[in-house]
Amino acid sequence: GAGVSQSPSNKVTEKGKDVELRCDPISGHTALYWYRQSLGQGLEFLIYFQGNSAPDKSGLPSDRFSAERTGGSVSTLTIQRTQQEDSAVYLCASSLALRTGTGYTFGSGTRLTVV
Amino acid sequence: DQQVKQNSPSLSVQEGRISILNCDYTNSMFDYFLWYKKYPAEGPTFLISISSIKDKNEDGRFTVFLNKSAKHLSLHIVPSQPGDSAVYFCAVNNDMRFGAGTRLTVKP
Repeated sequence: GAGVSQSPSNKVTEKGKDVELRCDPISGHTALYWYRQSLGQGLEFLIYFQGNSAPDKSGLPSDRFSAERTGGSVSTLTIQRTQQEDSAVYLCASSLALRTGTGYTFGSGTRLTVV
Repeated sequence: DQQVKQNSPSLSVQEGRISILNCDYTNSMFDYFLWYKKYPAEGPTFLISISSIKDKNEDGRFTVFLNKSAKHLSLHIVPSQPGDSAVYFCAVNNDMRFGAGTRLTVKP
């Protein structure tokens, strides 16, 4: 597609349930990133995929969070046993390569609410 | 550690005046600095970048200045317009972390 697509756009889940968030990057973009923005906070880096290299998971806040990228394209961010503090907007971005001056293209995000 | 820091959480300016958004950095090993703009309920959008070998990059109303000796980056918007009201983030190209952001409000 023309842009980065994220689904669902909104998700309300009960505390303790698992959720899956999907990101479909721009075709041909080898780098894919997940961020989240909690209310009133900045952009928090979660995880980064580059081609076939091992992902950089240094931003994942706990072992309840995991992500995979299948076939170098679509990525899924999974949050297990959700907690109320997981409520945030989860943003996905993609780019051609890390060392670029043209920046990332972000999706519109998934707003996750844990009740 | 965070490589970029935005110490001003908010800025308010009058329409037509200059907006100056600041960013400080710690590590000098980068190729580009980038600025992003974010409206509510939307993902950030790339705005402008500057190469580490330059000290200025201009694109229309937006100009980025890089002061390597001070490890300081600034984004100038002139003249400011109400539609520029958004949160602005700075970042370096070889680190996935962003600054905390500065919320710009341009008053008509």
